[in-house]
Amino acid sequence: IVMTQSPDSLAVSLGERATINCKSSQSVLYSSDNKNYLAWYQQKPGQPPKLLIYWASTRESGVPDRFSGSGSGTDFTLTISTLQAEDVAVYYCQQFYSTRTFGQGTKVEIK
Amino acid sequence: QVQLVESGGGLVKPGGSLRLSCAASGFTFSDHYMSWIRQAPGKGLEWVSYISDSGGSTYYADSVRGRFTISRDNAQNSLYLQMNSLRAEDTAVYYCAREKVTTDHWGQGILVTVSS
Repeated sequence: IVMTQSPDSLAVSLGERATINCKSSQSVLYSSDNKNYLAWYQQKPGQPPKLLIYWASTRESGVPDRFSGSGSGTDFTLTISTLQAEDVAVYYCQQFYSTRTFGQGTKVEIK
Repeated sequence: QVQLVESGGGLVKPGGSLRLSCAASGFTFSDHYMSWIRQAPGKGLEWVSYISDSGGSTYYADSVRGRFTISRDNAQNSLYLQMNSLRAEDTAVYYCAREKVTTDHWGQGILVTVSS
């Protein structure tokens, strides 16, 4: 399964909304449990990735509620509702429907 | 808390071998699948391999199948990656990671450089 993110980078003003898209080459919705096998990660420079969201929209414990995920099937979105300085990072989507595949990453910067 | 500490990285010549280790603590190791994921310098994330909780099932990316072998020792809370026939394109930071619903905890990573 190929994961494609857009855009590759974006610059957003502090307090504004950031939206990242992720498209899978085939559906990652598992019919038996009606769950989308899609996760989002945040990676800051020099650090390993951090899990933000799984099942497309379930926030990992401790993740601020300004991060939200949506979508189903093949099209997904990560939204940061009000961008904070500490949110500057590269964001990756990952499918876990069949082994694991990551998107190419989206770099989020401050405008 | 969950801790994953990789070791065994370094510089190796093309065609050479290296064995990575990962020491796990802070959770019941034998309850979890475990993964290796890599990141080439300045590039994105690439899943390499994972292994079932018992060690009985293993899965590999096409790019490493036949060259890399994942294994684990549940008595020692350790994960391994034997890398043979290394190529320049295998140069990357290699992360050990725990699997729950999906990849939920990562080590700090270890650099493997393949160069003559």
